[in-house]
Amino acid sequence: ELKVEQNPLFLSMQEGKNYTIYCNYSTTSDRLYWYRQDPGKSLESLFVLLSNGAVKQEGRLMASLDTKARLSTLHITAAVHDLSATYFCAVDDTGNQFYFGTGTSLTVIP
Amino acid sequence: GAGVSQTPSNKVTEKGKYVELRCDPISGHTALYWYRQSLGQGPEFLIYFQGTGAADDSGLPNDRFFAVRPEGSVSTLKIQRTERGDSAVYLCASSLAASGHVLNEQFFGPGTRLTVL
Repeated sequence: ELKVEQNPLFLSMQEGKNYTIYCNYSTTSDRLYWYRQDPGKSLESLFVLLSNGAVKQEGRLMASLDTKARLSTLHITAAVHDLSATYFCAVDDTGNQFYFGTGTSLTVIP
Repeated sequence: GAGVSQTPSNKVTEKGKYVELRCDPISGHTALYWYRQSLGQGPEFLIYFQGTGAADDSGLPNDRFFAVRPEGSVSTLKIQRTERGDSAVYLCASSLAASGHVLNEQFFGPGTRLTVL
């Protein structure tokens, strides 16, 4: 079974700081997705990464994919309070399901 | 346009009862997925439909769980003889393309929070 690990699981950071969330997975795949989940809410799609070396940016968030290292990163630049949420990566092994990481709970402190 | 919708948003039931959870996918999406999310965890796959047929039900935990999609649109997840361990948020997702297609981006509904007392 495909394993997806995220770290850190919990992240508390001050506004204005930069940080990176890591997503490692256990099998070859060139399809990776990042989602955001606010408390009590569903998952909101952030990024779709479909090839080795793919890089996507939206506002203060940037995601990248290295399929050879089986690693994706979600980089946060100059964090603001509105970014507080749980972030999930999900790997599509071209089968019938997404395999989700355990999530990274981000709290941005003013 | 309308996204994925799920009803009810919350369901409280007693152990041993039967429940049905409904999912309305985005119009035109042929693929539909059910996931279960426990507190503090990522979603876990339950079942995938392509059209009317269950293409992969390998994630269903046991035979108390069953899902249908009779007309290839709305889907119902059915749980018999509920147990306290079934308490979780049940998420539905749909995607435009078939599984394995490069554009298999899944869009999630708001979920149904099931509590079994």
